[in-house]
Amino acid sequence: AIQLTQSPSSLSASVGDRVSITCRTSQGISGPLAWYQQKPGQPPKLLIYDASSLRTGVPSRFSGSESGTDFTLTIRSLQPEDFATYYCQQFITYPRLLYIFGQGTKLEI
Amino acid sequence: QVQLQESGPGLVQPSETLSLTCSVSGASVINYYWTWIRQPPGKGLEWIGNVYSSGSTNYNSSLMSRLTISVDTSKNLFSLKLNPVTAADTAMYYCASSYGGNSYFDYWGPGTLVTVSS
Repeated sequence: AIQLTQSPSSLSASVGDRVSITCRTSQGISGPLAWYQQKPGQPPKLLIYDASSLRTGVPSRFSGSESGTDFTLTIRSLQPEDFATYYCQQFITYPRLLYIFGQGTKLEI
Repeated sequence: QVQLQESGPGLVQPSETLSLTCSVSGASVINYYWTWIRQPPGKGLEWIGNVYSSGSTNYNSSLMSRLTISVDTSKNLFSLKLNPVTAADTAMYYCASSYGGNSYFDYWGPGTLVTVSS
């Protein structure tokens, strides 16, 4: 099965910390990857697309990178409003068109 | 600014049809992909499927046999029908756009909670 493995599932950090969240794609499956932030009672919010492109209006402390099958979201100097759940999402066109999400990472104080 | 708003019943009987509509404002549905995504309570996100303004669709294979997504360009909205439903279909349902690019979802509706229960 095509999978997007996100880790860790939860993460404790403090204001001012730097944290990283990783998504690993299935071997042999390629496609652009995006990152979202979701706060309780709200829809997800797009942060980064195409692995490393920051959406307009998103603070520059958020960044994305790619290395082989591993994609990483890094947040430097955590702010109180950054404590939320983060999801990665990949767009796959082969063997069939599909959008898949990682399992999510809950970032807690 | 693209704005989306879901509407539809919050409670659906098992084995019945779940029907939702997403009204789009601030942009035309023409020439873009429009998507449905759901999230069971306390769980992660699942892509349901999308529709292009021409009416062509792509569905999650796990839902394909029960799913219909359509678009109405005259009313600037798109719709979801899922039939029959079970308790496993209880979730927050979101509509979303791929306005800036078709590999991600840049605008989302606030979501509507659909509960499947008798």
